[in-house]
Amino acid sequence: QKEVEQNSGPLSVPEGAIASLNCTYSDRVSQSFFWYRQYSGKSPELIMSIYSNGDKEDGRFTAQLNKASQYVSLLIRDSQPSDSATYLCAVLTYYNNNDMRFGAGTRLTVKP
Amino acid sequence: DAGITQSPRHKVTETGTPVTLRCHQTENHRYMYWYRQDPGHGLRLIHYSYGVKDTDKGEVSDGYSVSRSKTEDFLLTLESATSSQTSVYFCAITSDRVSYEQYFGPGTRLTVT
Repeated sequence: QKEVEQNSGPLSVPEGAIASLNCTYSDRVSQSFFWYRQYSGKSPELIMSIYSNGDKEDGRFTAQLNKASQYVSLLIRDSQPSDSATYLCAVLTYYNNNDMRFGAGTRLTVKP
Repeated sequence: DAGITQSPRHKVTETGTPVTLRCHQTENHRYMYWYRQDPGHGLRLIHYSYGVKDTDKGEVSDGYSVSRSKTEDFLLTLESATSSQTSVYFCAITSDRVSYEQYFGPGTRLTVT
């Protein structure tokens, strides 16, 4: 079992819809969670970090964390074609906060 | 922009040759990381550094060595490149030891033929 799992997609949503991206992780002592966006041929760009159970909102993005279910998600409201990218989930554990583990990413396509 | 540059940005080399990739940062960050990214595997940590001359292994360190003689430079060396090391290599820094957020450089695409 991979440590951080994401559906590879592609996930396709129409412009203006809500895109929902999901991530599960296997290590119960994970404490820090991150979402990165990566455009084709570019480097990952941090868009959200979340550390506590519940929701965290930043503009059109909402990260949701449920540590009991070992589940973190990213919602993108009012999706735009410019949101089309691969979204990477990343997880840090408290015992090695230099060893960030990444999921393989979910490719999102927003259709005009 | 976290003030990170990587060089070269693209490189093609032959099996068995040594290769060194350079990561340079301008903002005096203590922690630096090298990752590789391959289809289906996502990003995997190769080595990291927590200060000048202080480095440690990551998940996929075999076949790689690193050096950090100055705060601003973190070098990744493939002593004898193999085709399995064909990948995109990213350098990253942590700017904040409270949030542990990592920020990435532009990447180096390495092809070993």
